[in-house]
Amino acid sequence: DSGVTQTPKHLITATGQRVTLRCSPRSGDLSVYWYQQSLDQGLQFLIQYYNGEERAKGNILERFSAQQFPDLHSELNLSSLELGDSALYFCASSVNSGRLTGELFFGEGSRLTVL
Amino acid sequence: QQQVKQSPQSLIVQKGGIPIINCAYENTAFDYFPWYQQFPGKGPALLIAIRPDVSEKKEGRFTISFNKSAKQFSLHIMDSQPGDSATYFCAASVVYSGTYKYIFGTGTRLKVLA
Repeated sequence: DSGVTQTPKHLITATGQRVTLRCSPRSGDLSVYWYQQSLDQGLQFLIQYYNGEERAKGNILERFSAQQFPDLHSELNLSSLELGDSALYFCASSVNSGRLTGELFFGEGSRLTVL
Repeated sequence: QQQVKQSPQSLIVQKGGIPIINCAYENTAFDYFPWYQQFPGKGPALLIAIRPDVSEKKEGRFTISFNKSAKQFSLHIMDSQPGDSATYFCAASVVYSGTYKYIFGTGTRLKVLA
């Protein structure tokens, strides 16, 4: 158990709909990262938050948005869903302190299926 | 400069073999090189990691070899087992704007035959 909690684990919805994925980072971790993994694909970085502020953006579509709340949990909102948005969405957290980088802890993922 | 190139894309070995997965990077500012193991339907989990001040690190059957001058690092799995069948991702990270920036390789799907 990495200590990173993601809900829901599975989600099935229709095209055009909107969903929200939730992530609770490990206790004490200030940074949250979101990744998308399509079938048999690598980890596509979407966005990173640090202590409530957006810090880095990757290949995130305009239909997607995210935020990190004061209690450090994060939500990824996916709207106007398309079939191609079907994927595993991972949240990861890291303490992000000190001069040297350290371990990134991943959650179990939320599997989104768009029909 | 921000890419991490990983090869091969897939690998099949017999039980007891020594699969080797290679990664190469360009940004010399990277200071942490982890390898993640991912089983189907699960999140990636840290397997082993190395910093650039050492050339090799072993943890059980897993070894990272690091060549700073060539900007390459590799994962060796000794006495591989069917349970090692998974996807392996290399990564490189650096402190950037006060937080960690991670760059992942594209992954290697390993299958160990019984």
